[in-house]
Amino acid sequence: DGGITQSPKYLFRKEGQNVTLSCEQNLNHDAMYWYRQDPGQGLRLIYYSQIVNDFQKGDIAEGYSVSREKKESFPLTVTSAQKNPTAFYLCASSIGTARTQYFGPGTRLTVL
Amino acid sequence: DQQVKQNSPSLSVQEGRISILNCDYTNSMFDYFLWYKKYPAEGPTFLISISSIKDKNEDGRFTVFLNKSAKHLSLHIVPSQPGDSAVYFCAAYARSGANNLFFGTGTRLTVIP
Repeated sequence: DGGITQSPKYLFRKEGQNVTLSCEQNLNHDAMYWYRQDPGQGLRLIYYSQIVNDFQKGDIAEGYSVSREKKESFPLTVTSAQKNPTAFYLCASSIGTARTQYFGPGTRLTVL
Repeated sequence: DQQVKQNSPSLSVQEGRISILNCDYTNSMFDYFLWYKKYPAEGPTFLISISSIKDKNEDGRFTVFLNKSAKHLSLHIVPSQPGDSAVYFCAAYARSGANNLFFGTGTRLTVIP
């Protein structure tokens, strides 16, 4: 059963701590993406990766970091430098440069 | 600067009637457009797409219309069903530049039984 999994679904973090959000896909997709959604706003791109060991900053990369050591995995670290980390985080993937992206279920991060 | 705009934050429609969701864009380099449906606390689900070489694409109850001269697209749902109640996002893709989508802010559709 192919798809994208994100864990955990809900995550709480104390201010000043780094936290890593998991994203795994078994669709054999080359490209993976991280988005952030805030209330009343559209999805904003944080980082994306088109191939293993390569990734690019999106529109709001400050305070975030990623790695792409395996094709299936694209973890996102929310660092203490991110000023407003409380949000709903979505991971997506696509076949190569195909334009249709498929999304995981999301992780809601709350900073206490 | 919002390149994809959905000016109606919400829309209510009676079950069985037509739902029309609208989307405007500003970037003439966009050549592919998508609609996603999103339930609360879930990821968006791809619904339907259209290439800029077409002006209409239909899939069952869902039809997307593209008016390139007006930089406008719309999603028609006929007939609307209560299960269609969700937030709908319009997204656009440019043939050049980064391989990423630009999303609108979404329209919350409520289908009233």
